[in-house]
Amino acid sequence: QQQVKQSPQSLIVQKGGISIINCAYENTAFDYFPWYQQFPGKGPALLIAIRPDVSEKKEGRFTISFNKSAKQFSLHIMDSQPGDSATYFCAASSLRVGGATNKLIFGTGTLLAVQP
Amino acid sequence: DAMVIQNPRYQVTQFGKPVTLSCSQTLNHNVMYWYQQKSSQAPKLLFHYYDKDFNNEADTPDNFQSRRPNTSFCFLDIRSPGLGDAAMYLCATSRDVGVVHFGSGTRLTVV
Repeated sequence: QQQVKQSPQSLIVQKGGISIINCAYENTAFDYFPWYQQFPGKGPALLIAIRPDVSEKKEGRFTISFNKSAKQFSLHIMDSQPGDSATYFCAASSLRVGGATNKLIFGTGTLLAVQP
Repeated sequence: DAMVIQNPRYQVTQFGKPVTLSCSQTLNHNVMYWYQQKSSQAPKLLFHYYDKDFNNEADTPDNFQSRRPNTSFCFLDIRSPGLGDAAMYLCATSRDVGVVHFGSGTRLTVV
């Protein structure tokens, strides 16, 4: 129940295309869903996050779509650029019952390569 | 810039020889986390400190310990590293349930 399932494992997109990464969860106590971007040799960096009271959040070229009934959420990267090539992790946590902490459960990651 | 700093970036240790990884933060966050990330896998939470209170994850091996002498610093001690402990170790911080900020990690090699 604590798992977050992420797909695809890897993704190749042409420059200017749309990259889509999907995640699914089982634990209905999860109420915070961030996406992290990780470049080789670096720690994950927060990209965008969503709470379940909204179905979509957009920040620049990055959009999270959230489907509470299906327990799924996805990251869309519009106009993908070579500089977006990185590993993307979805994550989930339960802020209400997490003991005043933000203990993230991560998906398995998606290696995105944007070809010029 | 306020940040999470991990030292060293790369650490090589011998099988069975105790090793300590360091983390410091200038964010003044009250929660500090240690994650283990093996190659091509998701980061996995080992334990966290809420202020001075230590909280171990149920499946974290006893071989892993941690110390937090003050708000700014946190250490990860591996008492007897095995080959299976080779990984990237990530320190992270948050203010309560706020955004989690990660350091760049320490890549541990066990020889």
